[in-house]
Amino acid sequence: DSGVTQTPKHLITATGQRVTLRCSPRSGDLSVYWYQQSLDQGLQFLIQYYNGEERAKGNILERFSAQQFPDLHSELNLSSLELGDSALYFCASSGGNSYNSPLHFGNGTRLTVT
Amino acid sequence: AQSVTQLGSHVSVSEGALVLLRCNYSSSVPPYLFWYVQYPNQGLQLLLKYTTGATLVKGINGFEAEFKKSETSFHLTKPSAHMSDAAEYFCAVSLNTGFQKLVFGTGTRLLVSP
Repeated sequence: DSGVTQTPKHLITATGQRVTLRCSPRSGDLSVYWYQQSLDQGLQFLIQYYNGEERAKGNILERFSAQQFPDLHSELNLSSLELGDSALYFCASSGGNSYNSPLHFGNGTRLTVT
Repeated sequence: AQSVTQLGSHVSVSEGALVLLRCNYSSSVPPYLFWYVQYPNQGLQLLLKYTTGATLVKGINGFEAEFKKSETSFHLTKPSAHMSDAAEYFCAVSLNTGFQKLVFGTGTRLLVSP
């Protein structure tokens, strides 16, 4: 058990809809990362937050947004969903903000857009 | 930009045989390298990491990897495969930019036959 909790585990929704994925990091971890895993794109870094502030942005679409709250949990909002957004979305956390802090991954949220 | 290439999307070995999963990186500065493992329906788990110091890194479950700067490689090995090693393995690179943004390879699925 990594200590990172993601909800829900599965989400099925229709095109055009909006969903929110939630992540609770390991106790004490200040950094939260979001990754998207799909068959054609592999593991893609989306965005990182550190102690409530956005620190790094990757291949995140404008239709997607995220935030980290004062209690350090994070939410990833996906809107105007398209079929291609179907993927596994992972949250990870780390204790620090540096390059050598290992990431601890949750079990992911599987999003299916129909 | 940094990147990693994993040779072979699938590797098949017999139980008890040597496991060798290949990873080559591309980076203009000294990289920090990681191997993660993903079991079915689970998140990624850190196997081992190289930051500085000894180039032979030992990880969990009997795995090790050697950083070879001259070959820009960070191959993962295990002397004797076990059925429980069947999983997907990801090599990742991170730069010393003050924050960690992992760039993952496309993954190698390890199949272990009895």
